[in-house]
Amino acid sequence: DAKTTQPPSMDCAEGRAANLPCNHSTISGNEYVYWYRQIHSQGPQYIIHGLKNNETNEMASLIITEDRKSSTLILPHATLRDTAVYYCIVRPGTSGTYKYIFGTGTRLKVLA
Amino acid sequence: DTAVSQTPKYLVTQMGNDKSIKCEQNLGHDTMYWYKQDSKKFLKIMFSYNNKELIINETVPNRFSPKSPDKAHLNLHINSLELGDSAVYFCASSPDRAGGYTFGSGTRLTVV
Repeated sequence: DAKTTQPPSMDCAEGRAANLPCNHSTISGNEYVYWYRQIHSQGPQYIIHGLKNNETNEMASLIITEDRKSSTLILPHATLRDTAVYYCIVRPGTSGTYKYIFGTGTRLKVLA
Repeated sequence: DTAVSQTPKYLVTQMGNDKSIKCEQNLGHDTMYWYKQDSKKFLKIMFSYNNKELIINETVPNRFSPKSPDKAHLNLHINSLELGDSAVYFCASSPDRAGGYTFGSGTRLTVV
């Protein structure tokens, strides 16, 4: 079973920030938070990951609460092409041998 | 282009047939995976190989046999195809450290 909880769907106006929440209250000390998205039926696309500090890259920002029990993915200026299902996943990050368990994700719809 | 490439993209076949899906990555990653996405859009891991060694086998029927001739290739052979095998199969690879997976674009298998 997935160790994360996400709202099933969200809407966001084009050009506005999209804030996608994720609860992971049972996260362990060695587990990272990863975010992926899947646009239509394409392969999932890696967005960002973090352990306890906030992270930013060219795609998004990841804000992790101090107790690490929840996080928020921020798309600063959402475009129509950001419409996708967004998955929040936790797993140990120090080895590629650990599997991802995908939940149902959040279906983000960016509105024109 | 650096990527994970799968062939074929589409596969339509009759029940009882045997088919293979090929996957290649040129990212230099150590670990490769097969995921299955069913009609309800759940993504579930099937297998994982690390440097040609099977490390994850998620109670997939014996009709499914992965083969990794080298760490850049992970093929999936399916015997005696059943209607329930219809799904999109994604190959992915990852480095042996905290980092994102790179997924292929998927193979849509339809068993008729």
